[in-house]
Amino acid sequence: AQKITQTQPGMFVQEKEAVTLDCTYDTSDQSYGLFWYKQPSSGEMIFLIYQGSYDEQNATEGRYSLNFQKARKSANLVISASQLGDSAMYFCAMREVYNYGQNFVFGPGTRLSVLP
Amino acid sequence: GAVVSQHPSWVICKSGTSVKIECRSLDFQATTMFWYRQFPKQSLMLMATSNEGSKATYEQGVEKDKFLINHASLTLSTLTVTSAHPEDSSFYICSARGVANPYEQYFGPGTRLTVT
Repeated sequence: AQKITQTQPGMFVQEKEAVTLDCTYDTSDQSYGLFWYKQPSSGEMIFLIYQGSYDEQNATEGRYSLNFQKARKSANLVISASQLGDSAMYFCAMREVYNYGQNFVFGPGTRLSVLP
Repeated sequence: GAVVSQHPSWVICKSGTSVKIECRSLDFQATTMFWYRQFPKQSLMLMATSNEGSKATYEQGVEKDKFLINHASLTLSTLTVTSAHPEDSSFYICSARGVANPYEQYFGPGTRLTVT
């Protein structure tokens, strides 16, 4: 079963506007972590933001914020004041922690294109 | 932040040959390293998890005899693709998790393998 769902294969946003990238997840665990990564055309995975399942406040990192709605199991990424350099693939990921280790799974990704 | 390197960044090899990809944590000790593969326009798929000094744990469907993983030290893990075939052509990414922050994964820049 798909643990991470990103329903937007591609998104367009005008430069300087805000954009929300959707992510929903499926887990029965109480303790888990949610991540967003950016992958530009060069291929490297760039960590953007992290939200722990017990964190009460939504995570923010500069222009990135995570809209965490635990009951709905959603962890949307909000990018404010989009820049041309934000054009890339964006992956939502979840880490589940077990006694014997952890499971780290990525969503299918959303390709964001910022228009000048 | 923590730095993970991969070598080579890209490699072309002939069908039937073997190729080794190195993953190094440059400024921290990586107790666990992860190997992912990513096909074009797809998400990252976890291949295996390796802990220093022990055998790697492979995900279902990944041939351990074909993808040999060695994690001989706290700063180096290697992935050897044996008897490579064109269908093994992919983008291989490693990530590492350290002692200092066991909840974060640091990704390498990836290695693009093309088998002709």
